[in-house]
Amino acid sequence: KNQVEQSPQSLIILEGKNCTLQCNYTVSPFSNLRWYKQDTGRGPVSLTIMTFSENTKSNGRYTATLDADTKQSSLHITASQLSDSASYICVVSLLSGGSYIPTFGRGTSLIVHP
Amino acid sequence: DTEVTQTPKHLVMGMTNKKSLKCEQHMGHRAMYWYKQKAKKPPELMFVYSYEKLSINESVPSRFSPECPNSSLLNLHLHALQPEDSALYLCASSPKEGNTEAFFGQGTRLTVV
Repeated sequence: KNQVEQSPQSLIILEGKNCTLQCNYTVSPFSNLRWYKQDTGRGPVSLTIMTFSENTKSNGRYTATLDADTKQSSLHITASQLSDSASYICVVSLLSGGSYIPTFGRGTSLIVHP
Repeated sequence: DTEVTQTPKHLVMGMTNKKSLKCEQHMGHRAMYWYKQKAKKPPELMFVYSYEKLSINESVPSRFSPECPNSSLLNLHLHALQPEDSALYLCASSPKEGNTEAFFGQGTRLTVV
């Protein structure tokens, strides 16, 4: 079972609408949780990074929240644009064998239609 | 400079060829990573170098051979690959191993024929 679960698997919205993507992780302790945006065939680009003591972090139209008690994070995208169409990946740095290893969720594929 | 540069962007190689993927960063990061990503799947960790020493090898077949000649460069040597090795190969770096933000390169799209 993947230790980082994302939902929904895919999402289609109209341009200008808001949306929220979910990330649940099952293992602790963790060092930080990051959201990446990945365009098809390109490398992931970091959107936000949060430690366990942070509840929310914003980057323009992207706002990430973290609830370390329930082990849940969300990424809220405001006023979506066509360029927001991409895969959004949640990455949690989990302690494994004495090192913190980035553990990837399977991503949410977002499609923004005009 | 906040970039991780990977070359080449695209590579087509035969199963008997030997080729190398290159990755470079000048952010002073001391941890560098190789990931393999198949279509519609998340990146899978292959290798981690920490302070130019191989820290993690995720049971990767020996036909993939990493090398870290210095703190700015990371290579992945390829030999006798199989068609199923075709994927996007991503390099990443972070200030330290694992627990800080990783910067990714744009990847090398590898096709094995």
